[in-house]
Amino acid sequence: GAVVSQHPSRVICKSGTSVKIECRSLDFQATTMFWYRQFPKQSLMLMATSNEGSKATYEQGVEKDKFLINHASLTLSTLTVTSAHPEDSSFYICSANDRGREQFFGPGTRLTVL
Amino acid sequence: QKEVEQNSGPLSVPEGAIASLNCTYSDRGSQSFFWYRQYSGKSPELIMSIYSNGDKEDGRFTAQLNKASQYVSLLIRDSQPSDSATYLCAVLIQGAQKLVFGQGTRLTINP
Repeated sequence: GAVVSQHPSRVICKSGTSVKIECRSLDFQATTMFWYRQFPKQSLMLMATSNEGSKATYEQGVEKDKFLINHASLTLSTLTVTSAHPEDSSFYICSANDRGREQFFGPGTRLTVL
Repeated sequence: QKEVEQNSGPLSVPEGAIASLNCTYSDRGSQSFFWYRQYSGKSPELIMSIYSNGDKEDGRFTAQLNKASQYVSLLIRDSQPSDSATYLCAVLIQGAQKLVFGQGTRLTINP
């Protein structure tokens, strides 16, 4: 399957700071990438769909001014959590399609906001 | 009604036995279905995709799809302790190209 990477794998920050998470497709071009959030013992929740060269599409209830998404190239999408607070602590995972219907996930980023 | 439903378990199966995981979905127009495995603290890993009615086999895994009953299942033969994980059923929403996940079934294989 296709390979998707994420960086960083883990981040701890103070409340009020902004955190940027990168998602890269390593061996394919991804016109669409997806950002998910997962809280402990819960399933994945889609936050937004990231489209190369255009604005992201956010799911209902997700604040677009808080979770900034940029899909600057066919292999890179970034999620910036602005003014992070403890309730933003979660496991953030990106995924991408390699032209087919299958989505491949990155390894995830565990964010802890103190 | 949730779009994708799974029994959250936990499901406990002895080593060597067949583990059976089930999933139902509400969107009758859905055409693409996936099973992901997620180990604790890790991201989901795609293990099976199925698009047509019937069975699809890959090694010890068999996915079964019945669109009339809006039902997808995953069978794991000769279960191993390393199969212990949470299994997520996902359905692709037509047109939106996004996945909807069930809540996952936690599977434990007992040696």
